[in-house]
This record gives sequence, C-alpha cells and structure tokens, in this order.
Amino acid sequence: AQKVTQAQTEISVVEKEDVTLDCVYETRDTTYYLFWYKQPPSGELVFLIRRNSFDEQNEISGRYSWNFQKSTSSFNFTITASQVVDSAVYFCALMAYSGAGSYQLTFGKGTKLSVIP
Amino acid sequence: NAGVMQNPRHLVRRRGQEARLRCSPMKGHSHVYWYRQLPEEGLKFMVYLQKENIIDESGMPKERFSAEFPKEGPSILRIQQVVRGDSAAYFCASSSDRGSGNTIYFGEGSWLTVV
Repeated sequence: AQKVTQAQTEISVVEKEDVTLDCVYETRDTTYYLFWYKQPPSGELVFLIRRNSFDEQNEISGRYSWNFQKSTSSFNFTITASQVVDSAVYFCALMAYSGAGSYQLTFGKGTKLSVIP
Repeated sequence: NAGVMQNPRHLVRRRGQEARLRCSPMKGHSHVYWYRQLPEEGLKFMVYLQKENIIDESGMPKERFSAEFPKEGPSILRIQQVVRGDSAAYFCASSSDRGSGNTIYFGEGSWLTVV
C-alpha cells in the first residue's frame, strides 16, 4: 500500500521568508512518481512538479525548489522569498501501481501555508 | 482554455436527488480520473476510465455512485439518492496515457452540497 505523510498541517510565515514543506512517502514499488500540487483559496488543483523514482536530481523553478532523497523517502518543497500569493494548501502525492489495473495518485493530507504580509 | 473542464462548478442537491458531474479532459487526453476531497480527509481516488471502459473503480463506493466516459462527450460521475455525506469537492483529472510517468492534470473541481 502507498502512503504519503505531510506532517505539517499548517504553517505561517512572514512575507519574504523561506519555507520548506515536508513530504515523506511509503511504497514497495521500485518505480513510482512524486508530485506536488497547489490548491489556492479558489479551490483548483494546480500541478507544480513531477519526479520519477530514478531521478534524484534536485530541481529549481524560480522561487520553488524540490529536494528528493530516496534514502529517507522524502520529497520536500521549498519556497524562497515567500509571497502572499503563495498562500494555499500544498499537496504531495505519490503515483504507483494500484494492483487494480491503474496507476493511482495517493495524496498527503496537505499543508496549509499562510504568508503574512 | 485547453485544460480539464468540469461543470457545474457548484451544485446543490436535496437529499435523495441525483447529482451529475461532467468532465471534459484536456485536449488529446483519453484517460480520465475522478477524485473526491472530503473535509478533513484529503483527496481520494475514486475511478479511472478510458473511452468506453472503466479500468479501475476500486475507490468508488459500491452503491449509488457510477461513472462513464462515452465514446463521444464528457465523462460523467453520477451520484444517485445523494446523502449529506456526499457533500464534497469532486475533481476530475486527465492524462495522455495510462498514468505511468505521465502528468495528471486536474480540473477546477465540482463542489457538491447536499442539503
């Protein structure tokens, strides 16, 4: 069975601070994919990044960066110089074979980030 | 807008009525997924469909819920005889392939309120 844990339920930071959102996953599959999605107050789910289990290179996209460590089963997300528009719920998700004919996304419970001006 | 389109965005139903949620996948995508976001429970997989086929419905409640993705037209998630516990956000997602290694893009969600 797959499991994703986002231990931080809510985080508040002051604008321009850096913040790291933690994600720990569990799977027995050797091939899997990790995702981050953002859910702003308007409710839609916005895709941020996808990584596969064979690629442990860290990735940077503007103020966003992701640190994938297979040894600790973690896929953490850092926002540098946070802005008020970053306020949202962030979901980490794991895609692996479900055993029922498809690859399913298993989501963590999300971390609510509030950036205070 | 070439993204995943869901409608209605908000739907209110009385207990016992039927709810129909529609999803048009992203252009070029033939794989559709439905997820449900219940308060305090996070997002849970419901069903995975390809055109005219249900591939995996392991997350669907056994009664009152059904899904289809016809050859023509959008995918439909149908909830019969709704109850208060069905109140949730229902997200549709699509991908260009089976999901293995492909990015899954989500729609804006349909918020169902049962009164």
